[in-house]
Amino acid sequence: GAVVSQHPSWVICKSGTSVKIECRSLDFQATTMFWYRQFPKQSLMLMATSNEGSKATYEQGVEKDKFLINHASLTLSTLTVTSAHPEDSSFYICSAPGTSGTSPYNEQFFGPGTRLTVT
Amino acid sequence: GENVEQHPSTLSVQEGDSAVIKCTYSDSASNYFPWYKQELGKRPQLIIDIRSNVGEKKDQRIAVTLNKTAKHFSLHITETQPEDSAVYFCAASTGGFKTIFGAGTRLFVKA
Repeated sequence: GAVVSQHPSWVICKSGTSVKIECRSLDFQATTMFWYRQFPKQSLMLMATSNEGSKATYEQGVEKDKFLINHASLTLSTLTVTSAHPEDSSFYICSAPGTSGTSPYNEQFFGPGTRLTVT
Repeated sequence: GENVEQHPSTLSVQEGDSAVIKCTYSDSASNYFPWYKQELGKRPQLIIDIRSNVGEKKDQRIAVTLNKTAKHFSLHITETQPEDSAVYFCAASTGGFKTIFGAGTRLFVKA
């Protein structure tokens, strides 16, 4: 249980175009999901908290008009990188808190990530 | 804001030796401390976690310790094997929700 999927797994787009990345919780509901970006050989940087039915909460320094987040249902959050530029090229990973069944506490379940390359 | 510091950034050990990675956190409200292993191009995988009401936890060759007063927690891997080579991230969160990651430690286990 507690599987998170992401689509696409990789995407190449031209500078100036927009790209949408989907994050789905497959067998559980997630009212909250998180979006991270990871540059090569660096850590996961939290970009924003996606909240079902309300606006996302962005971390300091992350442009909300650049990275549009929509959490339209209890199992789906989308991240749209608008007017992408080469510096947006990165590995984007989503996660959702859930329980594994062996513990009553939440842990983060990560999607497989999306590698975005902007040319 | 919340911050998690992790050391060392790179660690090289001989197969069979132990490896220790240390982290400190700033948010005193943090109560859940997971450790993740990430292989190149893949998602982070939870390897062990500890909660604030516990001082130590062990799972086979992996152990974690937590000093809540000092806001320190550590990962210990004993009898390291080449397949342990990866990047390890510590993290801190409150209630298992918003999670802040350390910078990561690249572990090399030499055969």
